[in-house]
Amino acid sequence: DGGITQSPKYLFRKEGQNVTLSCEQNLNHDAMYWYRQDPGQGLRLIYYSQIVNDFQKGDIAEGYSVSREKKESFPLTVTSAQKNPTAFYLCASELGRSGANVLTFGAGSRLTVL
Amino acid sequence: EDQVTQSPEALRLQEGESSSLNCSYTVSGLRGLFWYRQDPGKGPEFLFTLYSAGEEKEKERLKATLTKKESFLHITAPKPEDSATYLCAVLAYGGSQGNLIFGKGTKLSVKP
Repeated sequence: DGGITQSPKYLFRKEGQNVTLSCEQNLNHDAMYWYRQDPGQGLRLIYYSQIVNDFQKGDIAEGYSVSREKKESFPLTVTSAQKNPTAFYLCASELGRSGANVLTFGAGSRLTVL
Repeated sequence: EDQVTQSPEALRLQEGESSSLNCSYTVSGLRGLFWYRQDPGKGPEFLFTLYSAGEEKEKERLKATLTKKESFLHITAPKPEDSATYLCAVLAYGGSQGNLIFGKGTKLSVKP
C-alpha cells in the first residue's frame, strides 16, 4: 500500500543532542512537508520541499534542518539550537507542487526532551 | 493577517445527536479550504476540499459547507467512531507556496 512512513514513532532526546526524524513516501509525490503540532495549537510549518535538492523554510524553521536528496525521502533534524523541541512532528506529501492539493500525512513522531 | 478560528474547542454529543463544527477564516483571497480528521496519536486524514462559496460536499454522516467567511462541518446522527479532532485548514492566494493555515481543531466526543 502507498503511504508515508515516519520513524521512530517515539524518540527521547537529552538536551544538547541533535536527533533526526525519518520520513519516507512511496506515493511518487513531488512535494513534502514537515509540521509541528503542540497541544492547543494548530499545525505549524517547519520546512517544505517541492523538488529534489531544494527546500524552503516555513514559519518556524529555526533550530531545524532538512535535506531532500531523493524524491522519496525528507528527513528532519532537530538540532540543539531548538529550545523547545518537545512536540508531535508530522510529515506530509502532496501530488504536484501547487500547495493546493490534498496532503497525505504520516502517523507522526513524538519527540520528548529529557 | 490571515487567520483560521475553529469553534467550539471541544464538543460532547450523545450518539445520534446531530451538530455542527465551525471554521471561520480571514484571508485576502481563498484558494481552498480543507477539512481533516485526526485520531489521537495519528496523522490527520483528509475529508473534504471546498473552493468557492456555496459549495457543499458529503461523505457518510459528514457534510461540509462553505460561505465567504466560514465553513461548517455538519455531523448527522453521529456514532462513537466519529470521535476525533477535526481540523480546518485554509490556503490563501498570495501566501507562501504550500503554506496551509491550520485552525486549532475541534475535539469531538460521541458517547453511546
